[in-house]
Amino acid sequence: SFELTQPPSVSVSPGQTARITCSGDALPKQYAYWYQQKPGQAPVLVIYKDTERPSGIPERFSGSSSGTTVTLTISGVQAEDEADYYCQSADSSGSYVFGSGTKVTVL
Amino acid sequence: EVQLVESGGGLVQPGGSLRLSCAASGFTVSSNYMSWVRQAPGKGLEWVSILFSSGAAYYADSVKGRFTISRDNSKNTLYLQMNSLRAEDTAVYYCARWYYYDSSGRGFDYWGQGTLVTVSS
Repeated sequence: SFELTQPPSVSVSPGQTARITCSGDALPKQYAYWYQQKPGQAPVLVIYKDTERPSGIPERFSGSSSGTTVTLTISGVQAEDEADYYCQSADSSGSYVFGSGTKVTVL
Repeated sequence: EVQLVESGGGLVQPGGSLRLSCAASGFTVSSNYMSWVRQAPGKGLEWVSILFSSGAAYYADSVKGRFTISRDNSKNTLYLQMNSLRAEDTAVYYCARWYYYDSSGRGFDYWGQGTLVTVSS
């Protein structure tokens, strides 16, 4: 299997931009997905295939990819964006992996 | 409306067994890729297993040989049979759909509310 590495925490003031990185050797070959999880709730998909946003997800959420690192960007952060964020990928052998998660705190 | 409802969690002794169920509505389980993901208390998400529409099944190394994923097409329900349970299997277990469309994965797009499994004596 493979690993995905995320920073444990990111702090941001309301209205500013939060960037969450996810690194892994498999990422140049495999797509990344991002999930938001609030306390006591199931995760919600916010980005798929590196940069695509599911319907219903606000435009302030965007994704990008460069080499072995993918980035989730939240522009104009709102208080409701405070949550844990997980990156995830899958390899061709049927193995799926989540990153360790990043706690986003809105100051 | 798509809905996933897990059940079957509870307290079990180390070495014991438990079967989790995930009843789906709004789509057909057998035509989709269905997965189990778990989250230990205060910890991150951990992928457990996936069942492809073809019937192929894959498992995380941590559960391989102990857990079995299956489905009942007539009940539109996904299962996870968990044997030889250990304390480290204690977690909320979510079922989720891996949306596979146009030859590529679109992510775990629908999740259940989760069911808590506690392995303790």
